Amino acid sequence: EAQVTQNPRYLITVTGKKLTVTCSQNMNHEYMSWYRQDPGLGLRQIYYSMNVEVTDKGDVPEGYKVSRKEKRNFPLILESPSPNQTSLYFCASSLSWAGKLPNYGYTFGSGTRLTVV
Amino acid sequence: SQKIEQNSEALNIQEGKTATLTCNYTNYSPAYLQWYRQDPGRGPVFLLLIRENEKEKRKERLKVTFDTTLKQSLFHITASQPADSATYLCASHSGGGADGLTFGKGTHLIIQP
Repeated sequence: EAQVTQNPRYLITVTGKKLTVTCSQNMNHEYMSWYRQDPGLGLRQIYYSMNVEVTDKGDVPEGYKVSRKEKRNFPLILESPSPNQTSLYFCASSLSWAGKLPNYGYTFGSGTRLTVV
Repeated sequence: SQKIEQNSEALNIQEGKTATLTCNYTNYSPAYLQWYRQDPGRGPVFLLLIRENEKEKRKERLKVTFDTTLKQSLFHITASQPADSATYLCASHSGGGADGLTFGKGTHLIIQP
């Protein structure tokens, strides 16, 4: 089954304790992206990757890191989490990036609900 | 700055009627618009994409229109069912320096039996 898999589904951590949220896709997609979703603010892009070893900042990159060493994996790293990073996180992938035509829809993971106390 | 706006108020529709949701964009001309469905706590699911040169796109009970003059896309669900209740998101290319989709905040649709 074509899918984007995120882990963990739920995570509660303490301020300052480094964590990684994993994301893997099995569709051979070039493009991958991380979003966070907050009430009243909607979905906002954190980082994206157009291909292996190619990553760039989205709208809200502060406090996050990513890497793309393999095509299928795109982990999100919080080096020193803070309470304002409490949110619902989604990883997504697509055949091509948003600015390229023809364009394709994104496939999203099931989400990771992160709480930083 | 480029914006995609959706009516944030919940939309209540009686089962069997047609639900119509609106997406407006300002300060740019997107080459396409995408529509997604999102259930509570779950990831958005891609439904339809319509390009700027397409007036209308259909998929089963779904229909999307794109009016570049009004800077608006309409999303219709015909013969609506309670299972169609969800939040529907409109999205398009950000249009700025960074790549990626910019999403509207979504419209919560409730289909009443």
